[in-house]
Amino acid sequence: AQSVTQLGSHVSVSEGALVLLRCNYSSSVPPYLFWYVQYPNQGLQLLLKYTSAATLVKGINGFEAEFKKSETSFHLTKPSAHMSDAAEYFCAVSEGRDDKIIFGKGTRLHILP
Amino acid sequence: EAQVTQNPRYLITVTGKKLTVTCSQNMNHEYMSWYRQDPGLGLRQIYYSMNVEVTDKGDVPEGYKVSRKEKRNFPLILESPSPNQTSLYFCASSLPRDRGRSREQFFGPGTRLTVL
Repeated sequence: AQSVTQLGSHVSVSEGALVLLRCNYSSSVPPYLFWYVQYPNQGLQLLLKYTSAATLVKGINGFEAEFKKSETSFHLTKPSAHMSDAAEYFCAVSEGRDDKIIFGKGTRLHILP
Repeated sequence: EAQVTQNPRYLITVTGKKLTVTCSQNMNHEYMSWYRQDPGLGLRQIYYSMNVEVTDKGDVPEGYKVSRKEKRNFPLILESPSPNQTSLYFCASSLPRDRGRSREQFFGPGTRLTVL
């Protein structure tokens, strides 16, 4: 069965520092992987997705994620944090056999001035 | 503008008083889904629908009902709400996988429900 684990429910980084949000997945077949962002009082919006075309995926707002099959990971990074990046981030996986997507429990990113 | 809309955005009600949260999408998506979001638990799927008149239970369906009479609408019904259904609810839609297109889900803005 598919599952997603996000390490760290809260992550704090200084403005300008590297952002690294960790996601590990479990899937019995090649997965589809997603990162969503949720700004305060808003719904979720897609940051980026992996659909087997390329292992390094670039998304919106300068974020990117790398699919590492050997580590079953899909960590999200951004070279330089901005105050506007403060939000909750969700990693999600789908095995593609149906349209079901499983979400991780989320990581709240705090940006320190 | 392509979007998923939900109404109401905020609702305070009392135990046992039936309520409906509406969800509508204008993207001609076959797949629609309801989630609830609770602190520390992430998003959990309540019900989903693969197409008109086709619905199925998600991970936490107890206490909820849905219907899919039209492609664009997917209302969530709480026949007898209880305090443990106090939560933030999201509706989402997507194209089905077999179209070979992106399967990303598009989310509504959320409905914050409080059951007293």
